[in-house]
Formats: sequence, structure tokens, C-alpha cells
Amino acid sequence: IAGITQAPTSQILAAGRRMTLRCTQDMRHNAMYWYRQDLGLGLRLIHYSNTAGTTGKGEVPDGYSVSRANTDDFPLTLASAVPSQTSVYFCASSRDRYSSYNEQFFGPGTRLTVL
Amino acid sequence: QKEVEQNSGPLSVPEGAIASLNCTYSDRGSQSFFWYRQYSGKSPELIMFIYSNGDKEDGRFTAQLNKASQYVSLLIRDSQPSDSATYLCAVSRYSTLTFGKGTMLLVSP
Repeated sequence: IAGITQAPTSQILAAGRRMTLRCTQDMRHNAMYWYRQDLGLGLRLIHYSNTAGTTGKGEVPDGYSVSRANTDDFPLTLASAVPSQTSVYFCASSRDRYSSYNEQFFGPGTRLTVL
Repeated sequence: QKEVEQNSGPLSVPEGAIASLNCTYSDRGSQSFFWYRQYSGKSPELIMFIYSNGDKEDGRFTAQLNKASQYVSLLIRDSQPSDSATYLCAVSRYSTLTFGKGTMLLVSP
């Protein structure tokens, strides 16, 4: 692996179902992020993690949860999906979060449709 | 509310021309500035970053920063059809990265 991988690539999900989007990075970056991208709204931060064992809320955290058990993995869980969570989800990572010079690198994305 | 503003475009330029993409930001304390390129259906790809006032050149790309005017731009020289994409400006203060909604660039052969 080189960089960030996300799975699945795309998913159609019935409303009310639970879904976990997976994200793995092999760059040994401390910080990881989940964004959603919607037409006309741009990229919005859902949750972030400064380092393994810590997580924080971004701009649009409601309906989502994350965990960071180790450096490499940062799964995003939708406990009970709703149609408004239809979006493209991007995982990103950076060397660390505390520095302003934190170039973020993005995974390929997961296209999620909730019906 | 921190804001990053970009003209949504599309900005249309002929092949070989210079494309100029602009971005303004509201947070005067912003410290670092990034340009991402996003092809349709793909993820954002970091192409330039700049931290100090002035110009930074990398190949055909030049990023320009004017903190007094709260303005950052990206120039693409000798534009190619393969440069056709949406360009996202992102601004950071400490740990938070705020993205603009992007400018679509179309380079015609």
C-alpha cells in the first residue's frame, strides 16, 4: 500500500442500516480526518483524530462516530443511516495536526447512497 | 465563521494560455495556504502550498500569497487540456483546514 486506502468504493444502503466506512494509511501520519463532499457545499470536516486513541468533532459530526485504535486505521460509522448522509466521503491524513504546516493527503473516497 | 471564497467558474482558457485562479479568505490569522486539484469523480490532490507572502513556483504552477489583502492565487502556465479540473483553495490556522468550494477550469485544445 502506498498512501491511503478506503473501502468500499461505493455503497447503496437502506435508511436505518448501520454502516462502517474503512480508512487505512501507511504513511505513519499522526493525524487523520473524515470529510464529506456535497455539490454546492464543498468539503466539510466530520471528525478528526490527532493521534491514536484520540478523536474530535468537526463541522458536521451528528450521526457519525469514529474510533482510532491504532495509527493506521480510522473507521467512520453511521449508526443509523439517513438519506441526508448520501455523499462522497473522503478520508485524509497529515503528519500531525498541531502544526499549521499540515499538508493533508486524501484517500480515493467512498460514494455512499442512502435510500 | 471562517470563510474561503472562490469563483465557481467555469474558467475557460485556450491551450497554452495562463490560467489564473483566485481565492480570498476571511481569517486574518491564517498561516498556511494550499491548492488542491480535483478531477471529476476523483479525490483532491495537493499540488501547491505556500506559507509566506510572495510567489512560489513549481514547474508550470505558481502560487501567490498576499496576507495583507487576504488573497491567494494559483497561476498555471502553458495550460493543457489535462489541467481541466476543479481547483480547491484551502486555508489553515493552527490545525483547522477550511476549504473553498472550488473553481472549475476548462482548457480547450
